[in-house]
Amino acid sequence: DQQVKQNSPSLSVQEGRISILNCDYTNSMFDYFLWYKKYPAEGPTFLISISSIKDKNEDGRFTVFLNKSAKHLSLHIVPSQPGDSAVYFCGATSGTYKYIFGTGTRLKVLA
Amino acid sequence: KAGVTQTPRYLIKTRGQQVTLSCSPISGHRSVSWYQQTPGQGLQFLFEYFSETQRNKGNFPGRFSGRQFSNSRSEMNVSTLELGDSALYLCASSFGTETAGELFFGEGSRLTVL
Repeated sequence: DQQVKQNSPSLSVQEGRISILNCDYTNSMFDYFLWYKKYPAEGPTFLISISSIKDKNEDGRFTVFLNKSAKHLSLHIVPSQPGDSAVYFCGATSGTYKYIFGTGTRLKVLA
Repeated sequence: KAGVTQTPRYLIKTRGQQVTLSCSPISGHRSVSWYQQTPGQGLQFLFEYFSETQRNKGNFPGRFSGRQFSNSRSEMNVSTLELGDSALYLCASSFGTETAGELFFGEGSRLTVL
């Protein structure tokens, strides 16, 4: 039972353009969402988060949007840079200290 | 401050053997979570420990077990290894007292089962 789904295994974007990574969830109890970035041979690193009381959170080039009615969130990266090429994981938790992650989306930013 | 440390980084085992992986959390963190990463399956939650007690558990068979020591260091054990257990095992730590907070991941232990 995949409670957090990232339906796009991969995405390619030109440098300077916008990257949009999507994530869907099924558990309506989730109230906190996170995005992590992972390079090969490294552990995932935290990127940005959003609480269910918000619908948008920005941090520099990264913005996360949350649509609770659709149980959907997205990560926007503007402008995309070659160093953003990595696997991105969407995660969620419902206040139980248990974080559920999706299968990841591999982003490739083309120079 | 030092990050999350996982040992060993790489190991090769054969089917039927058992393996123990270790995780040292960031100083002051009392929660340790374990995840299995495989291609196509993403990060699958194994279990979470807080103050030496298992607080959450994922949907893995009983061959997967863990424990946490009084210094918050954690170990996970996989017994009777199967080929499908080949994966990157990631440990993440946090203070464990906030229901919405950041997890800090280690670099992982890559297990290959032959």
